[in-house]
Amino acid sequence: KAGVTQTPRYLIKTRGQQVTLSCSPISGHRSVSWYQQTPGQGLQFLFEYFSETQRNKGNFPGRFSGRQFSNSRSEMNVSTLELGDSALYLCASSSSGGTTDTQYFGPGTRLTVL
Amino acid sequence: GQQVMQIPQYQHVQEGEDFTTYCNSSTTLSNIQWYKQRPGGHPVFLIQLVKSGEVKKQKRLTFQFGEAKKNSSLHISATQTTDVGTYFCAGFQGGSEKLVFGKGTKLTVNP
Repeated sequence: KAGVTQTPRYLIKTRGQQVTLSCSPISGHRSVSWYQQTPGQGLQFLFEYFSETQRNKGNFPGRFSGRQFSNSRSEMNVSTLELGDSALYLCASSSSGGTTDTQYFGPGTRLTVL
Repeated sequence: GQQVMQIPQYQHVQEGEDFTTYCNSSTTLSNIQWYKQRPGGHPVFLIQLVKSGEVKKQKRLTFQFGEAKKNSSLHISATQTTDVGTYFCAGFQGGSEKLVFGKGTKLTVNP
């Protein structure tokens, strides 16, 4: 099976712009979770989607949003970018998103905000 | 807020030495997962522990889950240069379905 794929792999944006990141889960996986990874804060949970519905949400401002399509592909959007949004954004897929499911991470999108 | 603390933050060892990282949660965990992230890579799932007091081994790696399900450890015996990376623990706290990660332990191995 192909692994989790994320596009683009690298992005450079300026403050105030908005950005959309894409994640394609492993075939058959219906749960997609998004994480932000920074050197200072580590890996932080953004949100989880299952069957096109946001099922769980972390403690991030409303500028961070996401959605999931019927084929389980997911996108996350960050509006009005701030310098502090520079990070590695990782998505992870699992079959059903249950607490005992294994999460498979994609390679991430490295976002730099100038 | 909910936290999963992981120590040490960094560990430098000589090849052949042992290595241990510890994970502590402020609340009970339904399970604990361990991941490894190589430099420039993404987290890769290593193992999951579910039962109180559970111990699992993978070759030179030994994983333990505490009796109270609030702490865990990963022990690597006779480290090799291929063990280099950051090891993260992660768990679901108190019935939550949000996976909370420790900040990781970065392991470097001198040949």
